[in-house]
Amino acid sequence: GESVGLHLPTLSVQEGDNSIINCAYSNSASDYFIWYKQESGKGPQFIIDIRSNMDKRQGQRVTVLLNKTVKHLSLQIAATQPGDSAVYFCAENRDDYKLSFGAGTTVTVRA
Amino acid sequence: GAGVSQSPRYKVAKRGQDVALRCDPISGHVSLFWYQQALGQGPEFLTYFQNEAQLDKSGLPSDRFFAERPEGSVSTLKIQRTQQEDSAVYLCASSSRGGLSNQPQHFGDGTRLSIL
Repeated sequence: GESVGLHLPTLSVQEGDNSIINCAYSNSASDYFIWYKQESGKGPQFIIDIRSNMDKRQGQRVTVLLNKTVKHLSLQIAATQPGDSAVYFCAENRDDYKLSFGAGTTVTVRA
Repeated sequence: GAGVSQSPRYKVAKRGQDVALRCDPISGHVSLFWYQQALGQGPEFLTYFQNEAQLDKSGLPSDRFFAERPEGSVSTLKIQRTQQEDSAVYLCASSSRGGLSNQPQHFGDGTRLSIL
C-alpha cells in the first residue's frame, strides 16, 4: 500500500551543525505535507508545512524541500541545538484531512 | 485555551473495563481528530469530526471504540471492554477549518492508556 516513510530511524548530529532529515512518500496524489517534532511524553508539535505547488519553504531555522519527481521530502535544521533532540515525523495529508505518518526519525544532538 | 487539552494524561485500567478519554480542542476549531500511537510508531488515524458530525470513523479498530462530539467542541473517545492491545497513546488534534486540505492539525499531549 502507499505510505509515508523516513529513510533513517536515527540521526546523530553535533551541536551547531546542520541537520537533514529525509522522508519518501509514494502517494503521488498527496498535495500537502507537514513536519512534526515530538518530544518524549508530548504530542506532535507542528514545525512547518508545504503544499505540492511549492518546492521549498523556509521557517525559523528550518527549511522544507519537496521533490515531487522522486517523491521526496526533507527537513533541514540550521545550527542544531540540544533542544532540537526529538523524534521527527513527516506526514502526508490524504483525503483532504487524514494525516498519514511515517515511523519517525530520532534526532540526537551531541554537545 | 491556548492549545489542545487532553485528560487524563495517564490511565491504567484492568482488562475488560470501560474507559473514557476527553479532548478539549483549540477554541473555535471546526475539525477534530483522534489518533492512536503505539510505542515507537507514528500516530495512526482513528476518526474525524467536523463540528458535531463524525465524518470518518474508518480507523477505529473495532466496535468497542466509540467517539462523540455532541456540541461540536469537546470530544470523548470511549473504549469498551478494554483489551491489552488497546494500550497506546491516544492523541487528539484539531484544525481551524472543515473540508480542510492544507490546514495543519495541532495536537494535544495525549492520554497514555495502559491495560493490565
